[in-house]
Amino acid sequence: GESVGLHLPTLSVQEGDNSIINCAYSNSASDYFIWYKQESGKGPQFIIDIRSNMDKRQGQRVTVLLNKTVKHLSLQIAATQPGDSAVYFCAENIFDKLIFGTGTRLQVFP
Amino acid sequence: DGGITQSPKYLFRKEGQNVTLSCEQNLNHDAMYWYRQDPGQGLRLIYYSQIVNDFQKGDIAEGYSVSREKKESFPLTVTSAQKNPTAFYLCASSSIQGGPYEQYFGPGTRLTVT
Repeated sequence: GESVGLHLPTLSVQEGDNSIINCAYSNSASDYFIWYKQESGKGPQFIIDIRSNMDKRQGQRVTVLLNKTVKHLSLQIAATQPGDSAVYFCAENIFDKLIFGTGTRLQVFP
Repeated sequence: DGGITQSPKYLFRKEGQNVTLSCEQNLNHDAMYWYRQDPGQGLRLIYYSQIVNDFQKGDIAEGYSVSREKKESFPLTVTSAQKNPTAFYLCASSSIQGGPYEQYFGPGTRLTVT
């Protein structure tokens, strides 16, 4: 498969635990944020998004929190499963362009 | 099925040759994007287009060229002027009216130049 993220920060969690992946964004003018999941050798897959007028948004087993004061975004995954193992990227939208973070590798062990 | 396709999945070229990567979408999206991804890094924007027959440079456009003759298609040419072309290339598309919205990604093309 594609060797994406060889030197990424890694979060290791046990199956069934909750995972929290953090992201610091750079521009206070960013108005929209997205979390993507990327499995080895594949294109990024949309997980959840949030607009700058919100603090929290929930999806199925995932929650995104936005703290504009400190320019921080987090992704919470409940009851982490082996299929959640991947690299997770946050992205901020500014002037109709997405700027991506470097990613965090999530490893789920039994 | 609606989606975005890239071909081929793997591509090998000799140094000094130009190569064109294909990207097609049937999502009726106005905007299309090309990114480059290297190990340990996030995605970096090469070119993007928000309307047919118009496109803009991204952060790393040098050594690349694009065209947008049809709404559905946004091919990327990696020219011999690109100093380090070996990478994973990702194409994406999105709606833009009333947005911003998420970008949908294709499966990617792994280009190896030797």
